[in-house]
Amino acid sequence: GAVVSQHPSWVICKSGTSVKIECRSLDFQATTMFWYRQFPKQSLMLMATSNEGSKATYEQGVEKDKFLINHASLTLSTLTVTSAHPEDSSFYICSARDPLAGVINEQFFGPGTRLTVL
Amino acid sequence: AQSVTQPDIHITVSEGASLELRCNYSYGATPYLFWYVQSPGQGLQLLLKYFSGDTLVQGIKGFEAEFKRSQSSFNLRKPSVHWSDAAEYFCAVGPAASGNTPLVFGKGTRLSVIA
Repeated sequence: GAVVSQHPSWVICKSGTSVKIECRSLDFQATTMFWYRQFPKQSLMLMATSNEGSKATYEQGVEKDKFLINHASLTLSTLTVTSAHPEDSSFYICSARDPLAGVINEQFFGPGTRLTVL
Repeated sequence: AQSVTQPDIHITVSEGASLELRCNYSYGATPYLFWYVQSPGQGLQLLLKYFSGDTLVQGIKGFEAEFKRSQSSFNLRKPSVHWSDAAEYFCAVGPAASGNTPLVFGKGTRLSVIA
């Protein structure tokens, strides 16, 4: 099956710094990737839809200037948390669609990135 | 509006007992349905999916789910639970057509397994 990786898997940073999280589709080209955020013991909350070569579409309430998304290639999308603060500490998960999978709208999930802001 | 309801926030079962996790959905179009499992600190692993055909689908780890259109349900079952099944389970729904539409997730059901 399709594999999605994330890097880093775990990051600790100081308040005010920026952190970049990478999401890669390893064996397929993903025109669309999704970024989710998950707080402890809660469900996944969609943050944005990332489309290769165009601007990301952010969900209501998600600050686009704080969570910068870049989908510069068909295998890589990045999420940069700018000027991170403790309230940004969370588990960030990406997923990707394989357009060659046909009409099946299946998403393949990365293993997640645990961000802790001190 | 699209939504997924998992009525049970937390379920505790004894090892070896049967399990059923409930999932109800509201979707305007033909839905594709998924069950994912998440262990603590891990990403999501797909257990099974339903697109069409036989309404009883088999997944990995001995799980199965039954699609009931009349009840808008897609309940997950396992005949005999193992201690390693303790995790968070998410039901999700998406459109049948391809595109940029993300999946809609339920809030999850946490499964605890006792000896």
